[in-house]
Amino acid sequence: DAGVIQSPRHEVTEMGQEVTLRCKPISGHNSLFWYRQTMMRGLELLIYFNNNVPIDDSGMPEDRFSAKMPNASFSTLKIQPSEPRDSAVYFCASTTPGTGTEAFFGQGTRLTVV
Amino acid sequence: QKEVEQDPGPLSVPEGAIVSLNCTYSNSAFQYFMWYRQYSRKGPELLMYTYSSGNKEDGRFTAQVDKSSKYISLFIRDSQPSDSATYLCAMRGNTGNQFYFGTGTSLTVIP
Repeated sequence: DAGVIQSPRHEVTEMGQEVTLRCKPISGHNSLFWYRQTMMRGLELLIYFNNNVPIDDSGMPEDRFSAKMPNASFSTLKIQPSEPRDSAVYFCASTTPGTGTEAFFGQGTRLTVV
Repeated sequence: QKEVEQDPGPLSVPEGAIVSLNCTYSNSAFQYFMWYRQYSRKGPELLMYTYSSGNKEDGRFTAQVDKSSKYISLFIRDSQPSDSATYLCAMRGNTGNQFYFGTGTSLTVIP
């Protein structure tokens, strides 16, 4: 298995533009997580899905952020409009059904908003 | 108060030293305790996990959980330059799928 796949690896965009981050979880994993990592705040959970259904989106910072999981093999995180303070590394992770003890992370998307 | 507290460091030690990394937590419902290692510009990878209290050893790494004190530790013996990374603790309960992460401790092992 190729693991959790995220794209793009790097994104540089101008303030006000729409940004879409993509994630393909490991096949058979039914939980998917979106995290944001910064030096100041560490790893923050934005939203997570179970069986493609959003369970907890309380970490989504503002209405500018939205996430979807149309099927078991694909999820997107969209920021519209983007702002410089959104600059961070965004990680997607997936885990096995039940009380899986390991979350498998993708390589992350490094977002820079100028 | 955050659910999981971790000293961000940075921590710098000479090669061969014993390293101690720690986290405290506030939620007594946590049952699974994990340590992730994150190399620069990479995603976190699971290093060790422990269920409930006790110790677990894997090579040079030992994880300890003290639920009475709500305190977990990771010890690295005979540290190597290749151990230089950020170490994140993580926890979860028996129900639900949410993981709670510490902010990570940056470790540098100097040759």
